[in-house]
Formats: sequence, C-alpha cells, structure tokens
Amino acid sequence: DVKVTQSSRYLVKRTGEKVFLECVQDMDHENMFWYRQDPGLGLRLIYFSYDVKMKEKGDIPEGYSVSREKKERFSLILESASTNQTSMYLCASSSARGRGKNEQYFGPGTRLTVT
Amino acid sequence: GDSVTQMEGPVTLSEEAFLTINCTYTATGYPSLFWYVQYPGEGLQLLLKATKADDKGSNKGFEATYRKETTSFHLEKGSVQVSDSAVYFCALSSRAQKLVFGQGTRLTINP
Repeated sequence: DVKVTQSSRYLVKRTGEKVFLECVQDMDHENMFWYRQDPGLGLRLIYFSYDVKMKEKGDIPEGYSVSREKKERFSLILESASTNQTSMYLCASSSARGRGKNEQYFGPGTRLTVT
Repeated sequence: GDSVTQMEGPVTLSEEAFLTINCTYTATGYPSLFWYVQYPGEGLQLLLKATKADDKGSNKGFEATYRKETTSFHLEKGSVQVSDSAVYFCALSSRAQKLVFGQGTRLTINP
C-alpha cells in the first residue's frame, strides 16, 4: 500500500522559532509537494520538487523554504514562525510518468499552531 | 491562470438522498480532473479521476463526467450514506503536474 508519512500530527511552536516539517514517501515518486490548508481557501501550494536537490516556488512561498536531499524525503522549513502560519500542512507525492495524468498521494497532515 | 470553482457549502442531506456537487474549471490545454475526499482528521484521498473529455470516473458509488464543452466535472451519487460525510475537493492537473484545487465542499449526511 502506498504511503506518505509526516513527522508530526500536531505541533505547537512559539513565534520566532525555526520549525521543520518532515515528509517521507515510499513509492519512489519523483514529485513531492507541500500545501497548506485553511478553511474557505482550499489547498494552496507552497513549494514543490520534481527531483532531488530541485525545488520550485508555488503560490505562497513567502516565509517558507524546503529541502530535498534524498528522493524519498521533502522537508518544509519555517525560518521564523509567525502566528499567520498557524494552519494544516499537507505533503503529497506523485509519479512523473504520464505527465499531469497521475494523482497525488497525500500524507495525514500536520496541524501547526504558532503562539 | 488555471482555476477551479466549486459549489459552496456546507451541504446537508438526509441518508439515501441524491448528491450533486458542482465543479467548473478554467484551464489552458487539456487538464486531467480529480475529486479528492478528506474524512475528519485525515489527509486527502483520491476518490476518482478523468484524464480526457467525456471520460467518466467512478468509485464507491460516486461518478463524475469530464465535460469539455461546459468545462465541468460535477460529482454525483445516487444514494448517500452517513459515512460519506466529509470534505470534497475538485482539482485539475496540467502538464506541469501541479494540482489546482477548489475551495472544498463540506458534506454532512444525517441519518
């Protein structure tokens, strides 16, 4: 069974802290994605990666960075957490074969609260 | 740019009622279309998909048909159950392999 795992289900951090969210997939997928989910706004793409060491900005990259040192792992970094980054964060992966036709597989999400 | 517009929720129905959740899209080229479902406390799961015009995706009694002429991909189910209560997202994927999501529709089914 395909699997995307995220390091924490719930996380509480203080304003100004550096926060790391980890995502691991076991499907040998080339593509990995980070989204944030907020009520009424759906899912918004923060960053994505088509390959190891590659990263591309999504729609809302400000205040975030990412790291992809290994194919199976994609990390989201909040350099200095702020209260407006309180949200649900979802990681996803997909195969690059069949460009655009393949579904993305999602992790269970990390609910981050910044106080 | 590409966009997806979904029927606003929340939607509340009685068990065994007929369900329609409307979804329309704007995109260049020929996107693939998806419906995802999110049960409480979980991530998104793929419900169904269609990759070309007139394709019908189906799963667990849900259906949606890719209508290019009306740029729509409405989700339907003939008889809903309490266990269908969830948030439903319509999405499209272009050749860039990114998903663009609608805002989600919260569905509650009462027994």
